[in-house]
Amino acid sequence: GAVVSQHPSWVICKSGTSVKIECRSLDFQATTMFWYRQFPKQSLMLMATSNEGSKATYEQGVEKDKFLINHASLTLSTLTVTSAHPEDSSFYICSARESSGSGDTQYFGPGTRLTVL
Amino acid sequence: GENVEQHPSTLSVQEGDSAVIKCTYSDSASNYFPWYKQELGKRPQLIIDIRSNVGEKKDQRIAVTLNKTAKHFSLHITETQPEDSAVYFCAAKKGGGNKLTFGTGTQLKVEL
Repeated sequence: GAVVSQHPSWVICKSGTSVKIECRSLDFQATTMFWYRQFPKQSLMLMATSNEGSKATYEQGVEKDKFLINHASLTLSTLTVTSAHPEDSSFYICSARESSGSGDTQYFGPGTRLTVL
Repeated sequence: GENVEQHPSTLSVQEGDSAVIKCTYSDSASNYFPWYKQELGKRPQLIIDIRSNVGEKKDQRIAVTLNKTAKHFSLHITETQPEDSAVYFCAAKKGGGNKLTFGTGTQLKVEL
């Protein structure tokens, strides 16, 4: 299957700082990427849909000014957690959608574990 | 919007036995149903998917069945092995680029 990378794999930061997470599709172009948040032993919660060259679409309850998303190229989307607080500590996972003749398939990055002190 | 329910939440089987995980969805327009396997601290990995133009798909020890009338689909794992132990998520999506809606996950434990 297609490969999606995510960087960094883990990050520890102080409260009030901003953290940027990168998501890259390595062997395909992705006009659409997705950002999820996952708490321990829970399902994937979609935060926003990132569209190349346009504004992201945020899910209800997700603050767009806190979670900034940029999808400037067909292989890169970034999520910036601004003014991070301990409650933002979580596992953040991106995915990229690959389109083919048979339909779309979504592949996930390895995730970023964010710990805010 | 779409709602996906997944059962059971935990499943314990003996090595070599079969495991079945079931999901139901609410939106009859959904036409794509992937299954992901997620090991602890790792990414969800696509293990099999099915589109609504077929009723069953098999890949070695893994199979997925789809009943569009009843709006449910199932994952079947035969001859389970300890490395099958993980959390499995089902999902559903409508055509036209809509987002995936995930089930709540099933923790599968294969015991020796």
